[in-house]
Amino acid sequence: QVHLVESGGGVVRPGGSLRLSCAASGFAFDVYGMHWVRQAPGKGLEWVAVLGHDGGSEYYDDSVKGRFTISRDNSRNTLYLQMNSLRGEDTAVYFCARDKNIGYQDYWGQGALVIVSS
Amino acid sequence: EIVLTQSPATLSLSPGERATLSCRASQSVSSYLAWYQQKPGQTPRLLIYDGSKRATGIPARFSGSGFGTDFTLTISSLEPEDFAVYYCQQRGGWPSVTFGPGTKVDIK
Repeated sequence: QVHLVESGGGVVRPGGSLRLSCAASGFAFDVYGMHWVRQAPGKGLEWVAVLGHDGGSEYYDDSVKGRFTISRDNSRNTLYLQMNSLRGEDTAVYFCARDKNIGYQDYWGQGALVIVSS
Repeated sequence: EIVLTQSPATLSLSPGERATLSCRASQSVSSYLAWYQQKPGQTPRLLIYDGSKRATGIPARFSGSGFGTDFTLTISSLEPEDFAVYYCQQRGGWPSVTFGPGTKVDIK
């Protein structure tokens, strides 16, 4: 079955960087677009970024544009999120999710917690 | 950016009752709206997409309707496992994707 496992979360100082990974299994990874969605503690869901199945067509929410970069390695069935210039408001659980019908998310990982704090 | 508003913020009902949740978009998203369920400590689960299509494995008691700016998620008869937070999400403004703030359905 579809399995998504995020890793790379942790505590980072404001202005710092972190890279999240999402290991995918149970489906043809290179056929699907992939998303990152985040959820601040006790808050709602916030879409972050999406990447096309072949690594083209990347889009970002305005709140992370220019600071975050989504990428993938289809040979490793892995999605990445490089996060630079981190701010306190980036503190959240970051979920990777498989795309459905260009814009929805039908399978989600368990999430990686990122805490930005001095 | 298309802003989604959900109402009510909290819905207190008993098992067996009908739940009606609303999602309103700041501009038309055509039929490109989804609903997700999230229980405490769990990941979101896709329930409905394209306004009214049930995702794989979703029980028939969940139904979605609407078009343009006004959408509704209906749970015909609440089961104990349905008490959760429900989010709407639009892709009508692709490549911009946004979620609503959520409606919590709790036990009365």
